[in-house]
Amino acid sequence: DSGVTQTPKHLITATGQRVTLRCSPRSGDLSVYWYQQSLDQGLQFLIQYYNGEERAKGNILERFSAQQFPDLHSELNLSSLELGDSALYFCASSVSTGGSTEAFFGQGTRLTVV
Amino acid sequence: AQSVTQLDSQVPVFEEAPVELRCNYSSSVSVYLFWYVQYPNQGLQLLLKYLSGSTLVESINGFEAEFNKSQTSFHLRKPSVHISDTAEYFCAVSARSAGNKLTFGGGTRVLVKP
Repeated sequence: DSGVTQTPKHLITATGQRVTLRCSPRSGDLSVYWYQQSLDQGLQFLIQYYNGEERAKGNILERFSAQQFPDLHSELNLSSLELGDSALYFCASSVSTGGSTEAFFGQGTRLTVV
Repeated sequence: AQSVTQLDSQVPVFEEAPVELRCNYSSSVSVYLFWYVQYPNQGLQLLLKYLSGSTLVESINGFEAEFNKSQTSFHLRKPSVHISDTAEYFCAVSARSAGNKLTFGGGTRVLVKP
């Protein structure tokens, strides 16, 4: 158990809908990252927050947004869903943003868009 | 920007045989190097990392990886695999100067056969 909790574990929704994925980081970790794992794109970095502020942005679509709340949990919002958004979405957390800092991954949310 | 190439998408290997998973990276800046393992239906777990110092790093479960700066490689090896090593292995880098968002390779699926 990494200490990172993601909910829900599975999500099935229709095209055009909006969903929210939730992540609770390890106790004491200030940095949260979101990654997308799909068959065609592999594992891709989406976005990073540190202590409530956006720190880095990767290949995140405009239809996607995220935020980190004062209690440090984070939510990833996916809207106007398309079939191609079906993927495993991982949240990871780390104590700081230093490049050598280990990131701990949750078990992921598997999103299926039908 | 960084990129990571894992040269083998799948590696079948017999139990107690050695295995090597190849990883090459490209980066215009200095990087930290990581190997993560993903067991079926689980999140990613850090296997080992190279930050600095000795170019040979070892994990607690018998894996080792060697950083070769001239060849920009970070190959992972294990002299004798077990059935329990069946998993997908990801090589990743993070830029030393730009926070610790990870850039992953495409993954290598290791299937250990009895």
